[in-house]
Amino acid sequence: EVQLVESGGGFVQPGGSLRLSCVASGFTFNTYAMTWVRQARGKGLEWVSSVSGDGATTEDADSVKGRFTISRDNSKNTVYLQMNSLRAEDTALYYCAKAADGYYNDYWGQGTLVTVSS
Amino acid sequence: EVVMTQSPATLSVSPGERATLSCRASQSVSSNLAWYQQKPGQAPRLLIYGASTRATGIPARFSGSGSGTEFTLIISSLQSEDFAVYYCQQYNMWPLTFGGGTKVEIK
Repeated sequence: EVQLVESGGGFVQPGGSLRLSCVASGFTFNTYAMTWVRQARGKGLEWVSSVSGDGATTEDADSVKGRFTISRDNSKNTVYLQMNSLRAEDTALYYCAKAADGYYNDYWGQGTLVTVSS
Repeated sequence: EVVMTQSPATLSVSPGERATLSCRASQSVSSNLAWYQQKPGQAPRLLIYGASTRATGIPARFSGSGSGTEFTLIISSLQSEDFAVYYCQQYNMWPLTFGGGTKVEIK
């Protein structure tokens, strides 16, 4: 059974940093790309970042480029999202998702909440 | 950026009726289109990928069609558990983009 468990969310002031983690199990982790998607309260889904299976290739949304960094440690079956220079508009529930053969997401975690406020 | 536009924003349907949801891309995304279902307090669930292929475990009452810029998700006979928000997503090019969602509510 595929499981994705996010952690690392919390309350942070504007300009601060957080690192989100997502531990995966139930599939051959290094074979699949991984993605972070966020959802502000009452709003739709917004793609944030994706990383290839070997970690060599990453893609980021313009809204987070230069501030967020996605990475992965295949020895730990874990994907990370380092978030710096956080803004109020980054407040959202952050989902970790497994990408399938294309960059659609066939499994999702339950999310970790990030709140940016002074 | 490919803008995904879903319509209608809200669809009121009676149980047992058919629901038709639309998703339009601002430029061609070939068949690289997925549909997700999200219920309150839950993570999204993959329904359809490749515009028309049902994901594992998805009932046959869900069907997807289209290619290029016009896509449709049909729920042939709505069950109580189908009332939710539905999102389309293109994965043909970066950045990946989602539609704004269609809420299917009980009429």
